[in-house]
Amino acid sequence: NAGVTQTPKFQVLKTGQSMTLQCAQDMNHNSMYWYRQDPGMGLRLIYYSASEGTTDKGEVPNGYNVSRLNKREFSLRLESAAPSQTSVYFCASSYYTGTSSVDEQFFGPGTRLTVL
Amino acid sequence: KQEVTQIPAALSVPEGENLVLNCSFTDSAIYNLQWFRQDPGKGLTSLLLIQSSQREQTSGRLNASLDKSSGRSTLYIAASQPGDSATYLCAVRPPAGANSKLTFGKGITLSVRP
Repeated sequence: NAGVTQTPKFQVLKTGQSMTLQCAQDMNHNSMYWYRQDPGMGLRLIYYSASEGTTDKGEVPNGYNVSRLNKREFSLRLESAAPSQTSVYFCASSYYTGTSSVDEQFFGPGTRLTVL
Repeated sequence: KQEVTQIPAALSVPEGENLVLNCSFTDSAIYNLQWFRQDPGKGLTSLLLIQSSQREQTSGRLNASLDKSSGRSTLYIAASQPGDSATYLCAVRPPAGANSKLTFGKGITLSVRP
């Protein structure tokens, strides 16, 4: 199993450009998440998807859109990148049944994005 | 709003020392607590998950305990090694429907000196 994979690993954008970060998991997880990690701010949830076809906003959703393409894939799109979106982006997944408290999240390796 | 605190932000110890990393949270109504390890420039690796009904979990030289009533968890690392050098983060999950939103602490950066 590859676990959670993310592409690209690194990206440099100019202000106003758009891009999509890709995430896929092969663990048959139903829930998927996008986080950003910034120095001094810790990890913050951008969007999450509890199941295929559903998405919800997290703590910092402004400037981002997401698509849960199927059970395996969850993409994050920046429509018009801004320097404030320079960050490390992590995708994660978990298997949440709604009744069990064993809801362990597994993370991808991250995408390091710089917006100039 | 749940807040998770990890103090100190950084810790340096000599190899072989047993150490304890602390994590505190303000709302005791949690679903579970997860400890992660993050190496520089890498993603997060799940170390241990403690369910709300559990008091502790063990994996090799790691032992994590949970005291919900006092809003505390500790990660005990036995016989520390230079390879244990990394940032350790804890995260708590609220018991709310399908909204499995983790709240993270900012982490403790551990350096184990040879």
